[in-house]
Amino acid sequence: GDSVTQMEGPVTLSEEAFLTINCTYTATGYPSLFWYVQYPGEGLQLLLKATKADDKGSNKGFEATYRKETTSFHLEKGSVQVSDSAVYFCALSSHIIFGKGTRLHILP
Amino acid sequence: EADIYQTPRYLVIGTGKKITLECSQTMGHDKMYWYQQDPGMELHLIHYSYGVNSTEKGDLSSESTVSRIRTEHFPLTLESARPSHTSQYLCASSGGARAEAFFGQGTRLTVV
Repeated sequence: GDSVTQMEGPVTLSEEAFLTINCTYTATGYPSLFWYVQYPGEGLQLLLKATKADDKGSNKGFEATYRKETTSFHLEKGSVQVSDSAVYFCALSSHIIFGKGTRLHILP
Repeated sequence: EADIYQTPRYLVIGTGKKITLECSQTMGHDKMYWYQQDPGMELHLIHYSYGVNSTEKGDLSSESTVSRIRTEHFPLTLESARPSHTSQYLCASSGGARAEAFFGQGTRLTVV
């Protein structure tokens, strides 16, 4: 069946460090792929998305590329800020399948 | 800004009480979902609906029930609350097979 495997956290980085959170998926057909972010006490917000192979989603300095050949959708940011501290979820377009989430802590 | 609303935001209730968590969306989405989540932890799908009069159970065994009488409304009911039901409940909706989901702010439920 469909599944998403996401890098386990917590991930702790210093401000301005480079961030990668790995996400790989198994799916039948051609799903859209998403990254969601959850700040403390809030619901999930869409961070970025990609709808087909080789698409790159980007938002707020974050990027992820839909790689069909490696079934991956890794989240990256070149220079993280304290305000990026949150939990990040990778998901398939069924929205029945989410990764387990990666908690990110950014130290000033 | 997402137009999906959950009420109440916070609820403290005694064991054995019946409760209904409300979720409404104004986007005309056919697909709606309920997730249970301990704060910041893994999401567990407990119910979903692909349209009016269509409801399915998710992967997580739950003692709750849902109904979908109107497109915009997807309430979740617990007939007899227990301390094990203490958690955050998130409602979401999406339009189209490949579209993103929009999430409500969540209901933080505490059963004492």
